[in-house]
Amino acid sequence: KQEVTQIPAALSVPEGENLVLNCSFTDSAIYNLQWFRQDPGKGLTSLLLIQSSQREQTSGRLNASLDKSSGRSTLYIAASQPGDSATYLCAVRPDDYKLSFGAGTTVTVRA
Amino acid sequence: DAGVIQSPRHEVTEMGQEVTLRCKPISGHNSLFWYRQTMMRGLELLIYFNNNVPIDDSGMPEDRFSAKMPNASFSTLKIQPSEPRDSAVYFCASSRRGGAGANVLTFGAGSRLTVL
Repeated sequence: KQEVTQIPAALSVPEGENLVLNCSFTDSAIYNLQWFRQDPGKGLTSLLLIQSSQREQTSGRLNASLDKSSGRSTLYIAASQPGDSATYLCAVRPDDYKLSFGAGTTVTVRA
Repeated sequence: DAGVIQSPRHEVTEMGQEVTLRCKPISGHNSLFWYRQTMMRGLELLIYFNNNVPIDDSGMPEDRFSAKMPNASFSTLKIQPSEPRDSAVYFCASSRRGGAGANVLTFGAGSRLTVL
């Protein structure tokens, strides 16, 4: 069974600092990996999707890397802003349709 | 596109009552998922539909839960009878299995259920 771990569970940084969020998974046989953002009381918003054949994906200030062999993905958020405060979840998809979600990292960016 | 639309956004009911949650997926998406989120267990997949057909309902907790997808634009999740332990946020999500944007899961805003 795929286990997805996100460490740390919570993170607080001053505005302008770069954020590094970690995701590890136990089974390297994945189809893709997706990073989501969840604001309090809201649904999940897809940020980036990395196919298993890719090493990274970028969107604006966000960059996600994938190292399948070591079972790790990292989400980088450059020059953090208070609006980046949210919970970030990674989800790993094996060859079928199911996603295994991590518990998330709750980020607070202090103004 | 308005995204995945769920209703109601909030539901408070008493134990034993029937609860029906509704979902309208994104037009053109042929995969639909129902998830449940709680603090204790995180996000759990309840059921998955592909082209309106239930493919995997192994995550449905028990017979009190049922889900239908009568057409490509509508799905329901029903709990009968409801119990306090069913209190959670229920999310509907949809995706496209092929073509541009394939496999990117789009979530609705969720239905927060409280069973007293």
